[in-house]
This record gives sequence, C-alpha cells and structure tokens, in this order.
Amino acid sequence: QLQLQESGPGLVKPSETLSLTCTVSGGSISRTTYYWGWIRQPPGKGLEWIGSHYYTGNTYYNPSLKSRVTISVDTSKNQFSLKMSSVTAADTAVYYCVRHPVVIVDWFDPWGQGTLVTVSS
Amino acid sequence: SSELTQDPAVSVALGQTVRITCQGDSLRSYYASWYQQKPGQAPALVMYGENNRPSGIPDRFSGSRSGNTASLTITGAQAEDEADYYCGSRDISGNLWVFGGGTKLTVL
Repeated sequence: QLQLQESGPGLVKPSETLSLTCTVSGGSISRTTYYWGWIRQPPGKGLEWIGSHYYTGNTYYNPSLKSRVTISVDTSKNQFSLKMSSVTAADTAVYYCVRHPVVIVDWFDPWGQGTLVTVSS
Repeated sequence: SSELTQDPAVSVALGQTVRITCQGDSLRSYYASWYQQKPGQAPALVMYGENNRPSGIPDRFSGSRSGNTASLTITGAQAEDEADYYCGSRDISGNLWVFGGGTKLTVL
C-alpha cells in the first residue's frame, strides 16, 4: 500500500525559503500514470492546492503561488519536494503531499499525514 | 470561474439523510472528488467520479452531479460521519485543481 510521509523544518523565518520533502514508500514515484503534488491547510481554514508534478517534467502551480513555488522529483530517492520562497506568516499551514492520477476522473489519494510549518521570527 | 462553493455548515439527525453540495462552473466538465476530514487528521478520499467509493468507505455514501453542482449524500448518517467535507476538482482549464471551502457536518 502506497504511503507518503512529509518531512522538513517546522519553523521558518519570514522572507526565507520553506523546504519540504515527501518520501514515497510502497510504490515507485516513477510511475507514469500519476501526478505528485502538494496541498496546504492554514490553521482552522480550508484546503489549498499548491501544485503538482508529472514525470515528464511538466509542473502545474496554483497561480496565486506560482512565482514562489517549485516542485521537483528525485526518482533515485523515491521522493519529491516543495520549495516556497519569500514566506510570510500567511504561509503558516499544515502541508500535505499527495498523489493523483493522470486521468480526467481524478482524485487525491493517498495523503501524507501532514506537517505543520510555522512562519515566525 | 475556478471556484467551488460549499455551504459552510450542515446538520443532520442521527440516521437521517443529508446532502452536501458543491457548485462551480468547472463541474460541468469535470467530476468532483470528496474528502472527509476529522479533527487532527489528514483528509481522506470518500468519493470520486460519477459515484465511486474507495475501498473501505461505507455504502451509505453516494455521489452525483447535475449541471454545475456535485453532491455527496449520506443515507442514514452515523455519529462517526461528523466531520468537515471538502470537494475538489480541476478548474475550467483542466490543468489546475481547486477545492471548495468545506462543509462542517454535525450529526445531531
């Protein structure tokens, strides 16, 4: 059964870069039929899709975050990562990594357990 | 529009039927998927496509779509169904994804 696990610093200073890694176990990240993505949830608020990466290198980003976000994949480690630059307190959230299929009828599953990132000095 | 709209809160009496809706222009072209989130937990997929339940999801959960509205129906709501429910879908372009604001379901 595929499992995803986020890792990275829980505290980031304003204006710095947030870096998270998602480790995939129980399956290969090289499968061509899936996107690998990130979703976040500010405390007490709803879900926000950040972006998704496809093995061809095509990456899709939320337009509101696109200028600050990079998602990349490391197939040798079966991991994918999120980098978000110039963070502010508004980027404080639980960050989830997810997989979703490359089909029209799609869904996000599984989800990682989530990791809370707080932006504060 | 790339937005999905949900009612913020819905309540249902134990054992009764409740429908949670999600509206958006993109739903005319793409199906919604639905996620249940309980406090302190990651969201979990409960419905996708026309009316598809992942393994382990009770058959009291069902899905439907009409025009620009997707619905998640719980027939015979149980106490354990009390949670936040989010819909998600591609946006009208097909290359971006969006979520509704979430519906807090209370089982009375």
